[in-house]
Amino acid sequence: EAGVAQSPRYKIIEKRQSVAFWCNPISGHATLYWYQQILGQGPKLLIQFQNNGVVDDSQLPKDRFSAERLKGVDSTLKIQPAKLEDSAVYLCASSFGREFTGELFFGEGSRLTVL
Amino acid sequence: KQEVTQIPAALSVPEGENLVLNCSFTDSAIYNLQWFRQDPGKGLTSLLLIQSSQREQTSGRLNASLDKSSGRSTLYIAASQPGDSATYLCAAPTGANNLFFGTGTRLTVIP
Repeated sequence: EAGVAQSPRYKIIEKRQSVAFWCNPISGHATLYWYQQILGQGPKLLIQFQNNGVVDDSQLPKDRFSAERLKGVDSTLKIQPAKLEDSAVYLCASSFGREFTGELFFGEGSRLTVL
Repeated sequence: KQEVTQIPAALSVPEGENLVLNCSFTDSAIYNLQWFRQDPGKGLTSLLLIQSSQREQTSGRLNASLDKSSGRSTLYIAASQPGDSATYLCAAPTGANNLFFGTGTRLTVIP
């Protein structure tokens, strides 16, 4: 079974530039999550999708971050304009069921460095 | 808001030793508790998931226990190996829409 795919694995940009990350969840998984993990910290949820609808985006900095999940499968996370403090690993995860009642599967992550 | 704490932040043990990692949480109304492993530069790999009605789960050399009343979980690793070196994170979901992570315990197993 293929896992959660993410790209790019690494990205270096200057502040005020834009960047986009892509995620393809495990086939059949209805729920998709984007997490931000700053070095030395645990992952923090940015946004959660149930199929193609947003369930929770309360911790997403909406002035610069946006995310979409068209057709309830792939998802993209965009940052525009980037700030230095956005340097982090962006992790995508998926689960079969709704909410957090089941096991979460994570991708390898996309490491962003903002200079 | 759920707060998840993991102690110690880092641990070094000689190969072959048994060890325990600790996780505590403030809100006992959890759906489940999950333990993950994270290797440097990698994503998270699920190790064990304990449902709120369970007391423990086992997988190979790993055993995780859950005590909701005291807000604690432990991950026991038997006969540690250098390949076990990684950061171990626990996570506890309370409401429908958030999974709170601890900051992890960085484990080093010395050959």
